[in-house]
Amino acid sequence: DIVMTQSPDSLAVSLGERATINCKSSQSVLYSSNNKNYLAWYQQKPGQPPKLLIYWASTRESGVPDRFSGSGSGTDFTLTISSLQAEDVAVYYCQQYYSTMYSFGQGTKLEIK
Amino acid sequence: QVQLVQSGAEVKKPGSSVKVSCKASGGTFSSYAISWVRQAPGQGLEWMGGIIPIFGTANYAQKFQGRVTITADESTSTAYMELSSLRSEDTAVYYCARDGPPYYYDSSGYYYFQHWGQGTLVTVSS
Repeated sequence: DIVMTQSPDSLAVSLGERATINCKSSQSVLYSSNNKNYLAWYQQKPGQPPKLLIYWASTRESGVPDRFSGSGSGTDFTLTISSLQAEDVAVYYCQQYYSTMYSFGQGTKLEIK
Repeated sequence: QVQLVQSGAEVKKPGSSVKVSCKASGGTFSSYAISWVRQAPGQGLEWMGGIIPIFGTANYAQKFQGRVTITADESTSTAYMELSSLRSEDTAVYYCARDGPPYYYDSSGYYYFQHWGQGTLVTVSS
């Protein structure tokens, strides 16, 4: 099974500053036949289901603010929030869908400094 | 507008079973994989298994093999997750989630979770 490891486990950033969350997979999630990375990012706020932010590692879901961006390829990925807003306080998860045995990272808790 | 509406909270005794439903509306039900993801209190997300309704065959995470059964009823656009031999560690919120692309988007068949149900709390307690 593919193991997803996020870093850090928690992060405190000042309003308006950049937040960066990393995700590493135990094997590549890049599908060579179409050159797509099978990697998604989700945001979860307390008491709510997760919300899709990014898929194919860098494609922003409709309606997601453009301060959210995803990058990386193969085994190393990054979610960046360019200018942190108060409403971005949440837990963020990466997920691979390269293998039909899906797996999530352990989550990164993002707070305001 | 795709919506997934799950059944209500359950309280179960250890050793019993629970069956949670997930009714989809909007879009084509049969061509999109539906997965079940659970979240224990204060913990992360854990994928349990999924099904593409038009094929009817589910795949399961190894951890839950033999204890979970995922089915789909195309006539009512409803997916089900049944978990047996419940123990206290199964206390969690259970979510259904539907893929973004249909199964035929590429040779993979399973994709990212674009739509989520509201979650169903299952409490296992004697």
